[in-house]
Amino acid sequence: AQSVTQPDIHITVSEGASLELRCNYSYGATPYLFWYVQSPGQGLQLLLKYFSGDTLVQGIKGFEAEFKRSQSSFNLRKPSVHWSDAAEYFCAVGGRFVSNDYKLSFGAGTTVTVRA
Amino acid sequence: DAGITQSPRYKITETGRQVTLMCHQTWSHSYMFWYRQDLGHGLRLIYYSAAADITDKGEVPDGYVVSRSKTENFPLTLESATRSQTSVYFCASTLTLISYNEQFFGPGTRLTVL
Repeated sequence: AQSVTQPDIHITVSEGASLELRCNYSYGATPYLFWYVQSPGQGLQLLLKYFSGDTLVQGIKGFEAEFKRSQSSFNLRKPSVHWSDAAEYFCAVGGRFVSNDYKLSFGAGTTVTVRA
Repeated sequence: DAGITQSPRYKITETGRQVTLMCHQTWSHSYMFWYRQDLGHGLRLIYYSAAADITDKGEVPDGYVVSRSKTENFPLTLESATRSQTSVYFCASTLTLISYNEQFFGPGTRLTVL
């Protein structure tokens, strides 16, 4: 069964500092990996996704993530955080939609607070 | 504007009442999904639909019913609401699952069952 663990429930970071959010996944085959962001009262917006190829993936809003198969990780990073990055971040894993392998499984989320 | 919309955005109901949450998308996406979001659990899949008149259970389907008579609509019904169904509900859609395209999410419906 596929699953995602986001070890950090809440992270506080100063504006301008770097940010790294951890994501560990469990999946039996080559995973498809996603990071979504949810601003307060909003739906989820895709930040970036990994399907194959280059293990360093660039996304929107200056975010990037690195797929490390040996560590079953897909950590999200941003070099310099802006106050508008305060939100909840979800990592998700899935696979090809064959047979019943249709799901995206989400982690519990990491809430990011940005202090001035 | 094209996109995926949900209604109502907020709903308060009482235990035992029937509630229907609406989801509408204008992209003609084949696949649609219903998730619930609860603190500490992230998003959990309730039901999904591959096309009109084709639906299937997700991770937490008990107490919910779905239908999909038209491609663009995917209503979720709580036949007899319980307090444990107090949650934020998200609808999502995706065009094709052959290459696992991105899922697009609606703004959510916050449901409170008293």
